[in-house]
Formats: sequence, C-alpha cells, structure tokens
Amino acid sequence: DGGITQSPKYLFRKEGQNVTLSCEQNLNHDAMYWYRQDPGQGLRLIYYSQIVNDFQKGDIAEGYSVSREKKESFPLTVTSAQKNPTAFYLCASSTLRTVGAYGYTFGSGTRLTVV
Amino acid sequence: EDQVTQSPEALRLQEGESSSLNCSYTVSGLRGLFWYRQDPGKGPEFLFTLYSAGEEKEKERLKATLTKKESFLHITAPKPEDSATYLCAVRGRSYAGGTSYGKLTFGQGTILTVHP
Repeated sequence: DGGITQSPKYLFRKEGQNVTLSCEQNLNHDAMYWYRQDPGQGLRLIYYSQIVNDFQKGDIAEGYSVSREKKESFPLTVTSAQKNPTAFYLCASSTLRTVGAYGYTFGSGTRLTVV
Repeated sequence: EDQVTQSPEALRLQEGESSSLNCSYTVSGLRGLFWYRQDPGKGPEFLFTLYSAGEEKEKERLKATLTKKESFLHITAPKPEDSATYLCAVRGRSYAGGTSYGKLTFGQGTILTVHP
C-alpha cells in the first residue's frame, strides 16, 4: 500500500543539537510539506517543495532546514537555532490533481522533545 | 491571506447528544474546504471536501455543510469512538512563481470528547 512514512515516532533533542526527521512517500506525489502542530495552534507550515531540488519557506521556517534530492524523500532538520522545537511534526504530500480532491496525505507524525 | 477559525476549541458531549462544529473562513477564491479527523499521536485523516456554497457531504454520523463564510460539521448521535480532533482547512487561489500549488491553510481544530 502506498503512503507516507515518518521516522522516528519519538525523538529527543539535547540543547544545542541538530536533529533530522525523516519523511518518505511512495505515492509518486510531486509536492511535499512539513507542518508543526502545537496545542491550540493548529498546523503551521514550515517548508514545502513542489519538485526535486526546489523548496520554499513556509510561515515558520526560521531554525529549520530541508532538502529534496529525491522525489520520494523530504527530510527536515531542526537546528540549534530553533529555540522552541518541542512539538508534533507532520509531513504531508500531494499532487496538483489530488490536492483538489482531498487535500493532503499525511504521515503519522514525529513527536520531538527537548531534554 | 487565507484564514480559518474553528469553534469551539473543545466540545464535550454525552453519547447520543448531537451537536455541530464550526469553521469560519476567509479565502481568495475558494478551491476546496477540507475536513480531517485526527486521533491523538497520529496524522490527520481525510473526511470531506466541499467546493461551493450549499454543498453537503455525509459519512455515517457526520455531515458537512458549506456556506460562503463558514462550514459546519454536524455530528448526529455521537459515539465514544467519534472522540478526536477535527481539523478544517481551505485551499485558495495561491501562486508561487506563476505556478499554482496546493497550499492549505488550517484552523486550530476542535477537540471532541464523547462520554459513554
């Protein structure tokens, strides 16, 4: 079955450490997205990518970085510059055709905690 | 800028007690309003897409409706397994570098708890 796989499910980061969240999809979707979810604030867009080797900043990109070297993969790095990284991170994907039908397909999320 | 506001933030119901969740939106050229269900610690799952005012969609105990300014998710005779966070999102007419892309704007969600 096609879908989006996020790993790890739980991640703990020490102060000053960079960590990378993995997102892989086998849906052949062109676009991929990273969202951050905090209680009471809904989903906020961090970065998105429409094609390989191209990506754009979302609303809260500071302290984060991404790469899109393969169509299937869109890893997110949370850098030490992100002062409040504790949150639930969601990866999503779509095509221009499917986004009109049902929006995005989401992964199961990664919960990042600063220790 | 597209905006979505959901109310209430949290809703507690007794099993069988029907109610509605609200999603108010402002968008430039609505190209779809989406409802998702999200269980704790999981990603959102698609429920409905609505495109134009007056449209309605139903699935089991859920019914979504749309006007030009808001959408409602009606829950009829809810059961405890309906407990979840319900998210609303809109897709407007967004362009980046001249290419339309599928950016969704989400509300903050309504946490629904149904007690047996």
